[in-house]
Amino acid sequence: AQSVTQLDSHVSVSEGTPVLLRCNYSSSYSPSLFWYVQHPNKGLQLLLKYTSAATLVKGINGFEAEFKKSETSFHLTKPSAHMSDAAEYFCVVSAMNRDDKIIFGKGTRLHILP
Amino acid sequence: DAGVIQSPRHEVTEMGQEVTLRCKPISGHDYLFWYRQTMMRGLELLIYFNNNVPIDDSGMPEDRFSAKMPNASFSTLKIQPSEPRDSAVYFCASSLASRPPQHFGDGTRLSIL
Repeated sequence: AQSVTQLDSHVSVSEGTPVLLRCNYSSSYSPSLFWYVQHPNKGLQLLLKYTSAATLVKGINGFEAEFKKSETSFHLTKPSAHMSDAAEYFCVVSAMNRDDKIIFGKGTRLHILP
Repeated sequence: DAGVIQSPRHEVTEMGQEVTLRCKPISGHDYLFWYRQTMMRGLELLIYFNNNVPIDDSGMPEDRFSAKMPNASFSTLKIQPSEPRDSAVYFCASSLASRPPQHFGDGTRLSIL
């Protein structure tokens, strides 16, 4: 079975400062992990995915995430926030190569302060 | 690419009426997903298809909900009869040869009065 916990429901950062959105997972099998972004009144957009290759995964818009098995974490980071990054972010886990359920986290809303 | 296209974007109807939501996936994609999003429950997978065949419909709330995919370029989600608790944003998504979904539509905002 899989589960995913996004540790913060809201995060506020100033424009130009680093972003850290935290995600912890639990999985009985080797996990596949994903981050999605949702802008207001829009569908979700896939930012990046981890599927057992490099543990540091680079995504679109300057985001990256690092898979840390020992910490069961997959935190999303960006060196410098931009106003356009204000959105909701979802961490997702599924079991690699299995048809188990895909589990979405409850989301973290990122606020960018001018 | 046109992306995943959903219609209508907004639907307001009275309790008891039939509601039909439509989705056109990205051409060539073989997986299609229907999700529901509410503030209380977050994002829930209702059903997904692979090559037009329903694979997992365990998320469909009850018999009032049904989904079909008559061909690779079209799917519907039907609610009959509708209830106020069905009010939500319904997303369709598609992907090529993989789960979870890669591309989402912009959703249908459904309000049942």
